[in-house]
Amino acid sequence: GAVVSQHPSRVICKSGTSVKIECRSLDFQATTMFWYRQFPKQSLMLMATSNEGSKATYEQGVEKDKFLINHASLTLSTLTVTSAHPEDSSFYICSADTASGNTEAFFGQGTRLTVV
Amino acid sequence: GEDVEQSLFLSVREGDSSVINCTYTDSSSTYLYWYKQEPGAGLQLLTYIFSNMDMKQDQRLTVLLNKKDKHLSLRIADTQTGDSAIYFCAEKGVYGNKLVFGAGTILRVKS
Repeated sequence: GAVVSQHPSRVICKSGTSVKIECRSLDFQATTMFWYRQFPKQSLMLMATSNEGSKATYEQGVEKDKFLINHASLTLSTLTVTSAHPEDSSFYICSADTASGNTEAFFGQGTRLTVV
Repeated sequence: GEDVEQSLFLSVREGDSSVINCTYTDSSSTYLYWYKQEPGAGLQLLTYIFSNMDMKQDQRLTVLLNKKDKHLSLRIADTQTGDSAIYFCAEKGVYGNKLVFGAGTILRVKS
């Protein structure tokens, strides 16, 4: 199957700083990428959908100024957590689709963010 | 909106079969998926089924879909300790590629 690489896998940052997480499709072009957040022992919550070359679509309750998403190319989307606070600590996972109507979503390995 | 529900926990003995159940509400679901997540890792796609099918078998995995009752199950034959993980079902609707996930079922396999 296709490979999605997410970096970094773990990051610890201080409150008030910003953190960037990268999601790359390694062997295919991803027209759409999705960013999820997972709280401990809970399911994945979709944060936003990003399409290459256009603004991301955020789910209700997700602050777009807090979680900046950029999908500048067909192989790279980034999520920047701005002015991070301890409550932003979580597991963030991206997934990537190929063309519209594709049956499979390929997931990155996730990023564990800890804000201290 | 769409909702997907799963039982939270399942414990089985090594060698037994495991059955993980899932219900969903979106009658326009096109594809339904089973993902496996090991601790601290991302999601691994195990299998998926198109909504016009009622069964799919892939080695030790059998997926049953009852579209009338909106019920999906995953059966793992000859469960091994390496199958211990969290299993998520997810559905994809007609519009867009967004997946809606259940809360996950923790499978614990005792040796």
